[in-house]
Amino acid sequence: EADIYQTPRYLVIGTGKKITLECSQTMGHDKMYWYQQDPGMELHLIHYSYGVNSTEKGDLSSESTVSRIRTEHFPLTLESARPSHTSQYLCASSESGFNQPQHFGDGTRLSIL
Amino acid sequence: QKEVEQDPGPLSVPEGAIVSLNCTYSNSAFQYFMWYRQYSRKGPELLMYTYSSGNKEDGRFTAQVDKSSKYISLFIRDSQPSDSATYLCAMKEGGSYIPTFGRGTSLIVHP
Repeated sequence: EADIYQTPRYLVIGTGKKITLECSQTMGHDKMYWYQQDPGMELHLIHYSYGVNSTEKGDLSSESTVSRIRTEHFPLTLESARPSHTSQYLCASSESGFNQPQHFGDGTRLSIL
Repeated sequence: QKEVEQDPGPLSVPEGAIVSLNCTYSNSAFQYFMWYRQYSRKGPELLMYTYSSGNKEDGRFTAQVDKSSKYISLFIRDSQPSDSATYLCAMKEGGSYIPTFGRGTSLIVHP
């Protein structure tokens, strides 16, 4: 069973604040991903990492950044939060190998006032 | 046209019914097919994972892939109120780590 943890679970914060969403996994997975999920919509890939010191932008244009200094940790940072950033953010990881599925955390529900 | 099409529902069925959830896709390079279940305020949980065409059964759940028709299905037998959730299909090409997701179908099983 996947063990992937996201904090905080819920965050309500004002416009202009810097926010870091935390994601950690205990499985030693090389691959990690951040998705944005809005009600009734597909998951949109924001960033992904194939290993330490490797990060790539996904399909969704986003004013966010990520870092991957340790295998188990993949934080997402919004430098200046805006109401348009209000959404659910999901972190996922997968083992190496194209045949490996992604496993998800429970998400951070972010509301920007 | 989206690469993966999934009817968002909601689909409402009585307890004990057989449920059929479906996705169609347009990319013939997709080789891996997944179904996730997502409860409210939780992350998606992997339910079924299949490679190429055919059927896979796990308890009350059966996943079916028809690559010739570009159509996948998830069947739930003897549905329970605890099956009420959103079901996401996902699929990916053989040389990719990143799947394409459907919008999800909301399922409601009422007692």
